[in-house]
Amino acid sequence: QKEVEQDPGPLSVPEGAIVSLNCTYSNSAFQYFMWYRQYSRKGPELLMYTYSSGNKEDGRFTAQVDKSSKYISLFIRDSQPSDSATYLCAMIAGAGNQFYFGTGTSLTVIP
Amino acid sequence: DSGVTQTPKHLITATGQRVTLRCSPRSGDLSVYWYQQSLDQGLQFLIQYYNGEERAKGNILERFSAQQFPDLHSELNLSSLELGDSALYFCASSVLTSGRAGEQFFGPGTRLTVL
Repeated sequence: QKEVEQDPGPLSVPEGAIVSLNCTYSNSAFQYFMWYRQYSRKGPELLMYTYSSGNKEDGRFTAQVDKSSKYISLFIRDSQPSDSATYLCAMIAGAGNQFYFGTGTSLTVIP
Repeated sequence: DSGVTQTPKHLITATGQRVTLRCSPRSGDLSVYWYQQSLDQGLQFLIQYYNGEERAKGNILERFSAQQFPDLHSELNLSSLELGDSALYFCASSVLTSGRAGEQFFGPGTRLTVL
């Protein structure tokens, strides 16, 4: 079983839609949860960073962590064509530990 | 701009050759990570260094090696190159303190093509 599972998509939505991206994980030691956005094979860009369970909001983006279910989500409100990218989830147990990445979900927002 | 720099941007070489990829972390970051990303695979963790010492090893082949120098820049050496080594190679850096353990910033990558 992989440490982190992520549906690769592809996901295609109309502009203005709410997008939900999800990851599940198996290691209960993970405490830090991140979402990265990667445009066409450029370096991944850190979007959201959450510690432990709960929600975090930043503009149109909301990250949710449910440690009891080992499930994390990223919601994108009012999606824009510029949001078209691959979204990678990542997690780490603590400082100095290895980062574990999902395989990424490809998102296309259609104007 | 993440503050992490990688050189070169592109590298084209032949099978059997050896190449060196270079990474400079963000100012203040002590930890450097190397990743490989192929078209048909996700981001594969290769190796991590912290302040000059190897910290963790992932799916790194024996033909690959890395090091982190006293000025904290890092080099990834790939030898006896095979066609399958063609990929994007990313370096990332992190400050590695408890309060910011999840903050890892990626460089723009080096695109390696082995012919």
